[in-house]
Amino acid sequence: GAGVSQSPRYKVAKRGQDVALRCDPISGHVSLFWYQQALGQGPEFLTYFQNEAQLDKSGLPSDRFFAERPEGSVSTLKIQRTQQEDSAVYLCATAGRGGSYEQYFGPGTRLTVT
Amino acid sequence: QQPVQSPQAVILREGEDAVINCSSSKALYSVHWYRQKHGEAPVFLMILLKGGEQKGHDKISASFNEKKQQSSLYLTASQLSYSGTYFCGTADNAGNNRKLIWGLGTSLAVNP
Repeated sequence: GAGVSQSPRYKVAKRGQDVALRCDPISGHVSLFWYQQALGQGPEFLTYFQNEAQLDKSGLPSDRFFAERPEGSVSTLKIQRTQQEDSAVYLCATAGRGGSYEQYFGPGTRLTVT
Repeated sequence: QQPVQSPQAVILREGEDAVINCSSSKALYSVHWYRQKHGEAPVFLMILLKGGEQKGHDKISASFNEKKQQSSLYLTASQLSYSGTYFCGTADNAGNNRKLIWGLGTSLAVNP
């Protein structure tokens, strides 16, 4: 595709439900990042993949958060037993090989936990 | 450590100039600048690597002073399209050059 796509764009979950957020990267981009952005804040790093390998998950806030990228392309961020503090926009960004440091962001998924 | 951006907000008239600063308490390897319009994804503006280089993109340029652990973004002759929130992302070494720590953003509004 032309850019990074994410689905769903909006998700409302009741507290305690599990959610799965999907990211489709730009074709050929090896690096994939997940960020959490609260209202009025900057993006906060959650986790990073290089191809299918999850190289850094230090930003995941709790063991309720889990991310995977099994074939090195599409990635899914799963949040179990959602809490109100999980409400935020979840951004996915991808980057190409070598010295290309530019990150291309998807439109985000706005998660609201009620 | 999260970089500190200043000012928090700027209001300009079209054609005016602005400077946005990004400071860190840690030594920096790189500074990345992005602009995010309301409800949209952040869009890459430029990256500066240590060495004090200055880069430009149309009428937007930036500098990076390693010693001061600071970068500045210069917006010259601002246009309405410059409105948005500007974020700096910093990395403290080459290995982390893609794992960025982001500032809280500077909101810029350009009015006619």
